Amino acid sequence: GAVVSQHPSRVICKSGTSVKIECRSLDFQATTMFWYRQFPKQSLMLMATSNEGSKATYEQGVEKDKFLINHASLTLSTLTVTSAHPEDSSFYICSASPADEQYFGPGTRLTVT
Amino acid sequence: SQQGEEDPQALSIQEGENATMNCSYKTSINNLQWYRQNSGRGLVHLILIRSNEREKHSGRLRVTLDTSKKSSSLLITASRAADTASYFCATAYRRRGGSNYKLTFGKGTLLTVNP
Repeated sequence: GAVVSQHPSRVICKSGTSVKIECRSLDFQATTMFWYRQFPKQSLMLMATSNEGSKATYEQGVEKDKFLINHASLTLSTLTVTSAHPEDSSFYICSASPADEQYFGPGTRLTVT
Repeated sequence: SQQGEEDPQALSIQEGENATMNCSYKTSINNLQWYRQNSGRGLVHLILIRSNEREKHSGRLRVTLDTSKKSSSLLITASRAADTASYFCATAYRRRGGSNYKLTFGKGTLLTVNP
């Protein structure tokens, strides 16, 4: 149980385009989902907390207009990187939380050329 | 300020040996969690220890928590080559008015177990 999927697993896009990443909890409902980014050989940094049916809470320094988060249902949250630039290239990981623990997705490798 | 600073940053041992990783943090927490990450993959939750617990076991894993020193340790006994991965501690606290915990991750320890 407690499986979280992410799609796509890898994406390459051109600078200036937008990319959408999906995060799904497959066998449980998650009122809260979290989005992290991880640079190579570094730790995970929380970007935003997404609550179903309400606006996401962004961490300091994260541009909410650039990283659009939608949590339309109890099993799906999406992160859209708008007008992507090469510096947005990173590993994006979501997690879903039914209670105290967070269950992580396998991550999405975004490369912006 | 960042929570969860692990040490060592890298650890290389032989199969069968024990591996100990430490984590220190700076502010009060509700619980502390350890995760494992294989290169380029997602995180796998290993164990959660609550702030009122001092020690917890799960298979070959042993976690301790000392809230007075704001530190935790993860011990992997009888290590295997398949244990090679990065290990992160994450401190959890509930934000004011929040219904879930916010996790703050440390920088991680890269463990290499040589066969």
